[in-house]
Amino acid sequence: DSGVTQTPKHLITATGQRVTLRCSPRSGDLSVYWYQQSLDQGLQFLIQYYNGEERAKGNILERFSAQQFPDLHSELNLSSLELGDSALYFCASSVVGSGGMADTQYFGPGTRLTVL
Amino acid sequence: EDQVTQSPEALRLQEGESSSLNCSYTVSGLRGLFWYRQDPGKGPEFLFTLYSAGEEKEKERLKATLTKKESFLHITAPKPEDSATYLCAVPSRSSASKIIFGSGTRLSIRP
Repeated sequence: DSGVTQTPKHLITATGQRVTLRCSPRSGDLSVYWYQQSLDQGLQFLIQYYNGEERAKGNILERFSAQQFPDLHSELNLSSLELGDSALYFCASSVVGSGGMADTQYFGPGTRLTVL
Repeated sequence: EDQVTQSPEALRLQEGESSSLNCSYTVSGLRGLFWYRQDPGKGPEFLFTLYSAGEEKEKERLKATLTKKESFLHITAPKPEDSATYLCAVPSRSSASKIIFGSGTRLSIRP
């Protein structure tokens, strides 16, 4: 158990809908990262938040957004869902996530999103 | 372009048969290299972080090594429970936060 929690475990929804995925980082970690893992794309970095502020951005679609709250939990919002958004979404956390050397990231169990 | 390449894509071994997995990267000025283990449908489980060429780390039957251009994950006398996908990852040139993952090596250990 990494100490990172994600809810829900599974989500089934229809095209065009909007969903929210939630993540709680390990105790003491200030950074939260979101990743998407699909069969054909592998594990792809989406976005990082550090202590409530956006720190780094990957290939995140405009239909997707995230935020980190004062208690450091984070939410990933996916809207206007398409079939191709079906994937596993992982959250990871690290102590700092800034500076020269990369922090070790610890991953949560993931949310499996199925768009029908 | 920053790239992480893992080989082989898949590896089937007999229990007790030692082998090595390779991870090569094109990122210059390496700021860390990470190894994870991932079981189907689960989140990646952290194994090792390496920062410097020549560095080695061990955990049970696994040993990770790092050179300037690649890393190896050596598995000694594997057991069936070592079957998983092993992922290698490095930070991108532009940001230490943007981690680039390889496509992984699917390791299968037959009893």
